[in-house]
Amino acid sequence: GQQLNQSPQSMFIQEGEDVSMNCTSSSIFNTWLWYKQDPGEGPVLLIALYKAGELTSNGRLTAQFGITRKDSFLNISASIPSDVGIYFCAGQLRGSARQLTFGSGTQLTVLP
Amino acid sequence: DVKVTQSSRYLVKRTGEKVFLECVQDMDHENMFWYRQDPGLGLRLIYFSYDVKMKEKGDIPEGYSVSREKKERFSLILESASTNQTSMYLCASSLSGPAGDGEQYFGPGTRLTVT
Repeated sequence: GQQLNQSPQSMFIQEGEDVSMNCTSSSIFNTWLWYKQDPGEGPVLLIALYKAGELTSNGRLTAQFGITRKDSFLNISASIPSDVGIYFCAGQLRGSARQLTFGSGTQLTVLP
Repeated sequence: DVKVTQSSRYLVKRTGEKVFLECVQDMDHENMFWYRQDPGLGLRLIYFSYDVKMKEKGDIPEGYSVSREKKERFSLILESASTNQTSMYLCASSLSGPAGDGEQYFGPGTRLTVT
């Protein structure tokens, strides 16, 4: 299946720093989702976006649905040690029922 | 809160064994999914189901089958386990509808090792 281009693949940041990651595609998406996965666990849904241009926050996390419908961004402000994990974007393609396309993930490490 | 549970967190099986992975969701979701997750390959869809007794092949169905006899339960079956099926298996569910189709909720995963 088609993959989303997620970047960066990994990030090492200092505690307290802000973080940005993004996903892009050549295809149009109706829905963008952001998940976080801790080691040995299943992904947990963080934010869901349904409209082009939509900006949604969940605590220190903010995500945006790109205006072209082909990209999305996730920002984490004032990172803390428990932010460590893998962050995945996922999108539902226009015309696709039920299935999601997943990015390859961004491995985030927060240094004390 | 949506709860998706998987029957085992860790499983070790021998080559050639028949393996059953069970998934149960408690939110009356119509759609259920099975993925496998491997380093460098990301999440890959094996099978999904949008109704009881209905199933659709995903991207990598070879070597797997599924069963959905009840709405809340979706089983993944490895007919004859092989070492290349060693992986993390993730179950997910989602609601049908204009907004709900996208939001998939995942279980904790089953780490399967085939020796």
